[in-house]
Amino acid sequence: DAGVTQSPTHLIKTRGQQVTLRCSPKSGHDTVSWYQQALGQGPQFIFQYYEEEERQRGNFPDRFSGHQFPNYSSELNVNALLLGDSALYLCASSWTTGLHYGYTFGSGTRLTVV
Amino acid sequence: SQQGEEDPQALSIQEGENATMNCSYKTSINNLQWYRQNSGRGLVHLILIRSNEREKHSGRLRVTLDTSKKSSSLLITASRAADTASYFCATDPHFQGAQKLVFGQGTRLTINP
Repeated sequence: DAGVTQSPTHLIKTRGQQVTLRCSPKSGHDTVSWYQQALGQGPQFIFQYYEEEERQRGNFPDRFSGHQFPNYSSELNVNALLLGDSALYLCASSWTTGLHYGYTFGSGTRLTVV
Repeated sequence: SQQGEEDPQALSIQEGENATMNCSYKTSINNLQWYRQNSGRGLVHLILIRSNEREKHSGRLRVTLDTSKKSSSLLITASRAADTASYFCATDPHFQGAQKLVFGQGTRLTINP
């Protein structure tokens, strides 16, 4: 039983470019959440997708957008990259909200903006 | 913004000793979860304690929750080198209608052989 799969594992982009990160949830999970983790910090909630809609959003600018597909997989898009967007981006899947049973996290995508 | 604050920020102990990490939070919660992260990789869910529970055990892990003090502790008994990792507490702020976890900044635990 595969867990959460994220791709790519590492990515280097230039300031101003756009990036798309991908996530396949654990089998049986229907909800995907995205988190940003800066070096030495705890993860910060970006947004959550359920039934192909954004259910809740954290304090992130509109440059951050997402999508969930009918097979529950998800994408995170970041436009007009800034140096400060360099971080580990984590995808977490769960059944419904995951708040009562915990999340399953992927290994993350390390994004470096130069 | 981060709700939880872990204490200490870093902890180094000898293998076989017990490790205790503390977490404080600011708002009322439905539950509190602890996660482990190895070397900047993905987080692994360790244990979830509900707001109406005071203590929970899982293997060598013991978690306590004091909602009156808005604090929790994670005890790892008989530590092993493989326990070396960062540990995070995460809460779901009840008043914000759930849907997300708010993490602290973590405790970096080092187990020395």
